[in-house]
Amino acid sequence: EVQLLESGGGLVQPGGSLRLSCAASGFTFSNYAMSWVRQAPGKGLEWVSAISGSGDSTYYADSVKGRFTISRDNSKNTLYLQMNSLRAEDTAVYYCAKDRCSGGRCYSFHDYWGQGTLVTVSS
Amino acid sequence: DIQMTQSPSSLSASVGDRVTITCRASQGIRNYLAWYQQKPGKVPKLLIYAASTLQSGVPSRFSGSGSGTDFTLTISSLQPEDVATYYCQNYNSAPPWTFGQGTEVEIK
Repeated sequence: EVQLLESGGGLVQPGGSLRLSCAASGFTFSNYAMSWVRQAPGKGLEWVSAISGSGDSTYYADSVKGRFTISRDNSKNTLYLQMNSLRAEDTAVYYCAKDRCSGGRCYSFHDYWGQGTLVTVSS
Repeated sequence: DIQMTQSPSSLSASVGDRVTITCRASQGIRNYLAWYQQKPGKVPKLLIYAASTLQSGVPSRFSGSGSGTDFTLTISSLQPEDVATYYCQNYNSAPPWTFGQGTEVEIK
């Protein structure tokens, strides 16, 4: 059974930093691209960042480019999101999501999601 | 960036009604479109990918269609457990892989 468990959320002041983690199990982690998707309170879904299975390729939404860094440790089956220079508008539930891969190619839609971790940026 | 526009933003229908939600892309995305269902307080769930392929375990009353810029999610007979917000997502070649703003479905 695929499981994704996020951690690391919390309250942080504007300009601060936070690192989110997502522990994955139930599938061969290194074979799958992974993504972070966020949802501000009462708002819709926003794709944030993605990383290839090997970690060689990374992608970011313009809203976080230069401030957030996605990475993964395939030996630990763990996905990370380092968030720096946090702003009030980064307040959201952050979901870790597994991308669908088929025939050696990965597509950035998400067949499994974690439960999410809440990040609140406020003074 | 490709913009995804859903309509309507919300709808209210009776149990057993046929419900249709549309999603329009600002440029062609072939069939690289997914639909998700998010029930109140819950995690999003994948319903449909490749515009019309039903994810395993999803009831057959859900269906998707479209290609290029115009897509549709249809619930053939609305059930009480279908109360949720539905999102489309473009996953065509280049990021950002944007979501629509969501369509909230309620029971009348």
